[in-house]
Amino acid sequence: EDQVTQSPEALRLQEGESSSLNCSYTVSGLRGLFWYRQDPGKGPEFLFTLYSAGEEKEKERLKATLTKKESFLHITAPKPEDSATYLCAVQAPLLNTDKLIFGTGTRLQVFP
Amino acid sequence: SAVISQKPSRDICQRGTSLTIQCQVDSQVTMMFWYRQQPGQSLTLIATANQGSEATYESGFVIDKFPISRPNLTFSTLTVSNMSPEDSSIYLCSAQGTGENTEAFFGQGTRLTVV
Repeated sequence: EDQVTQSPEALRLQEGESSSLNCSYTVSGLRGLFWYRQDPGKGPEFLFTLYSAGEEKEKERLKATLTKKESFLHITAPKPEDSATYLCAVQAPLLNTDKLIFGTGTRLQVFP
Repeated sequence: SAVISQKPSRDICQRGTSLTIQCQVDSQVTMMFWYRQQPGQSLTLIATANQGSEATYESGFVIDKFPISRPNLTFSTLTVSNMSPEDSSIYLCSAQGTGENTEAFFGQGTRLTVV
C-alpha cells in the first residue's frame, strides 16, 4: 500500500537554529515528491517538486533533497515567518490519474 | 502556476441540508481534485474530477454524498449532501496539469460547520 510518513509531528526551533524535516515514502513507481507549506486557515502553498533520487532544490532558506526512500526539507537559519505546517506528498500513478498521497505534516514553530 | 478561487470560504449549515462549493481556475487544467482536511490533520482525497468523464471516488466516499460536476477545463463543483455534524471540515479544491508541469495548486479552502 502506498504510504507517506512525516517526522517529527511537531518541531520547535529558535530563530537561526537549522534543522531538517523528514518524509519517508513507500509507493509503486514514484512520479514525483512534492513539498507544500500550509499556514493556518489557508490552502497548501506549493514549494518544490522532486522527481528522481539525488535531486535537490532550493528556495531561500529551504532546501529539499530526495533519495529512493525519503526526502528531507532542510531549513537553514529559520525565521519566525517560516512557522507553518509542512506537508509532503507523493504522486502515485493509478490508471490515468496521478493522485497525490499526503503525509500528516510537520508543524514547525520558530521562536525569536 | 495556477490561481484557484474557491467559494464560499466558509459556511455554517443546518444538518440535513446540502452545500455546493465552487472552484474556478484561471487557466485550463486537465485534472481537478477535491480534498477534505479535518482540523489538525492532513489532506484526504475525496475524488478526482476530469472534464468529460465521471468523477473517480476514493474509498469511503460515494457519489450520492459528494456529487461532483466538471463542466469544463476551468471549473468544478463539489456538493456535500444531507449534511451531518461529521461533515464539518475544510474542503479543498486542487488543480493539476499534465506533462512537465505536474504540480498541484490549491484553493484557499471552504471551512464548513454543520450544526
